[in-house]
Amino acid sequence: EAGVAQSPRYKIIEKRQSVAFWCNPISGHATLYWYQQILGQGPKLLIQFQNNGVVDDSQLPKDRFSAERLKGVDSTLKIQPAKLEDSAVYLCASSLVQTAPGAEAFFGQGTRLTVV
Amino acid sequence: GNSVTQMEGPVTLSEEAFLTINCTYTATGYPSLFWYVQYPGEGLQLLLKATKADDKGSNKGFEATYRKETTSFHLEKGSVQVSDSAVYFCALVANSKLTFGKGITLSVRP
Repeated sequence: EAGVAQSPRYKIIEKRQSVAFWCNPISGHATLYWYQQILGQGPKLLIQFQNNGVVDDSQLPKDRFSAERLKGVDSTLKIQPAKLEDSAVYLCASSLVQTAPGAEAFFGQGTRLTVV
Repeated sequence: GNSVTQMEGPVTLSEEAFLTINCTYTATGYPSLFWYVQYPGEGLQLLLKATKADDKGSNKGFEATYRKETTSFHLEKGSVQVSDSAVYFCALVANSKLTFGKGITLSVRP
């Protein structure tokens, strides 16, 4: 079974530029997450989708971050314009149905973003 | 809101030492509890889980028991190996939301 695919693996941009990350979840997984992991911290949820609807985006900085999940499959996360503090690893994860007790989330390798 | 608190790290142990990593949580309702692990150069992966009080999750020699009375889910292993060197995250799911602790780095020396 293929895992969660993310691209690119690494990205270096200058502040005020824009960047986009792509995620392809495991086939059949209804729930998709984007997390931000700053060095030395635990993953912080940015946005959670159930199929193509947003379940939780309370911690997404909406003035600069946006995400979409067209057709309930692939997802993109965009930052525009980027700030230095956006330097982090961006993790995508998926699960079958998050409402089921013990449902496991499967993670991609992440995209390491460096803003200079 | 939901939160997970892990003990401060990093932790360095000699091979075959006993390991305990503390984790406590705050959540509404009855959360499911997880330990995820991130090996060097790899993505996060599930290590073990428990879905109700007094359940014990176990995998690869690691164990953790869901303690509702102390709201804890401490990770233990009787004899660590060099290959256990990784970052360990305690996490919970409550109200369909997956929340992580800060993580702790474990280094095991030969």
